[in-house]
Amino acid sequence: DAGITQSPRHKVTETGTPVTLRCHQTENHRYMYWYRQDPGHGLRLIHYSYGVKDTDKGEVSDGYSVSRSKTEDFLLTLESATSSQTSVYFCATDTGRGEAFFGQGTRLTVV
Amino acid sequence: DQQVKQNSPSLSVQEGRISILNCDYTNSMFDYFLWYKKYPAEGPTFLISISSIKDKNEDGRFTVFLNKSAKHLSLHIVPSQPGDSAVYFCAASSGTYKYIFGTGTRLKVLA
Repeated sequence: DAGITQSPRHKVTETGTPVTLRCHQTENHRYMYWYRQDPGHGLRLIHYSYGVKDTDKGEVSDGYSVSRSKTEDFLLTLESATSSQTSVYFCATDTGRGEAFFGQGTRLTVV
Repeated sequence: DQQVKQNSPSLSVQEGRISILNCDYTNSMFDYFLWYKKYPAEGPTFLISISSIKDKNEDGRFTVFLNKSAKHLSLHIVPSQPGDSAVYFCAASSGTYKYIFGTGTRLKVLA
């Protein structure tokens, strides 16, 4: 699993509250990603990072922000959670050689 | 706008036979393609990849074929085993380490 830890693994939150998901890696990989998985949509890229403090938007970035202050940590923040952000969120890393390694996922429910 | 499409949501195959999973893409800038396998409640795991300079890549029971003119790739699994039952995602990138995934195909291998 390339030393990827996502926390929390499960979270239920109320609409309008801020939520932060954490991804921690121990492999010193340069690239990190946040995806969400939804039925009928597969895996969609939210944001990705190509180095400390270097991030870029993915396919579905609206409503999400990210930060990467250290190589090992990539945070995903929902500033004001909405029901449409109920999903399973996956963090991934890539050495830059074309193989992304995924974490176990975080199941987020917004009620 | 789905840049990577897997038009078959599900596929059933008898054990020992060939499984063929298909993937189409629309972005002609994609030059690197990957297949991932995902079991329930786990993160996706890397299976096999192919660069656009090749039209075939093999790894044991898994072979990926790329038809650039048709913007189509396929994953062949021979022989199929019950443990291959999972959701399979294809993904593509255009040299930026930004991976775009398809919607997935659920493979069921019948014993």
